Amino acid sequence: GAGVSQSPRYKVAKRGQDVALRCDPISGHVSLFWYQQALGQGPEFLTYFQNEAQLDKSGLPSDRFFAERPEGSVSTLKIQRTQQEDSAVYLCASSLAPLHTEAFFGQGTRLTVV
Amino acid sequence: AQSVTQLGSHVSVSEGALVLLRCNYSSSVPPYLFWYVQYPNQGLQLLLKYTTGATLVKGINGFEAEFKKSETSFHLTKPSAHMSDAAEYFCAVSDKTNAGKSTFGDGTTLTVKP
Repeated sequence: GAGVSQSPRYKVAKRGQDVALRCDPISGHVSLFWYQQALGQGPEFLTYFQNEAQLDKSGLPSDRFFAERPEGSVSTLKIQRTQQEDSAVYLCASSLAPLHTEAFFGQGTRLTVV
Repeated sequence: AQSVTQLGSHVSVSEGALVLLRCNYSSSVPPYLFWYVQYPNQGLQLLLKYTTGATLVKGINGFEAEFKKSETSFHLTKPSAHMSDAAEYFCAVSDKTNAGKSTFGDGTTLTVKP
């Protein structure tokens, strides 16, 4: 596609429910990033993939958060046993190559945990 | 470790007036610096970036920013504000090891008054 696509755009989950958020990066982009943006704050780094390899997961806030990119294209961010503090916008970004300086962001998935 | 401080969470200007959004950064290695714009319910769009070379960088929509190493600053300016500039602006820092892994500031909301 023309840009980074994320689905769903909006997700409401009951506390304790598992959720899966999808990211379709720009075709051919090697690098993929997940960020979490809480209300009124800037995005915070969660994790980074180079192709299918998850090279950096230092930003994942707990072991309830899990990300995968099994074929080096589409990525899924999974949150188990959601908590209210997980409510945020989850942004996905991709770039052509690891040292490429421009990352392209999707529109994000707004997760609300009730 | 890297960090970004955006001075002023809200800035209001009149249409046609100068826009100045302030950003200071901290980085132990030569930084890559970015400004992004975010419209409501949208992802982040890159306005401009500094990696190496010329310290005054020009971006889209008439924005520019100057990298000042001695002041650890990367302020964003536009000579004449348009109503369409009303949005949230984020300053971010990364480095050459992984340019797409950025640390963001908390953002500045720009309001443009008619």
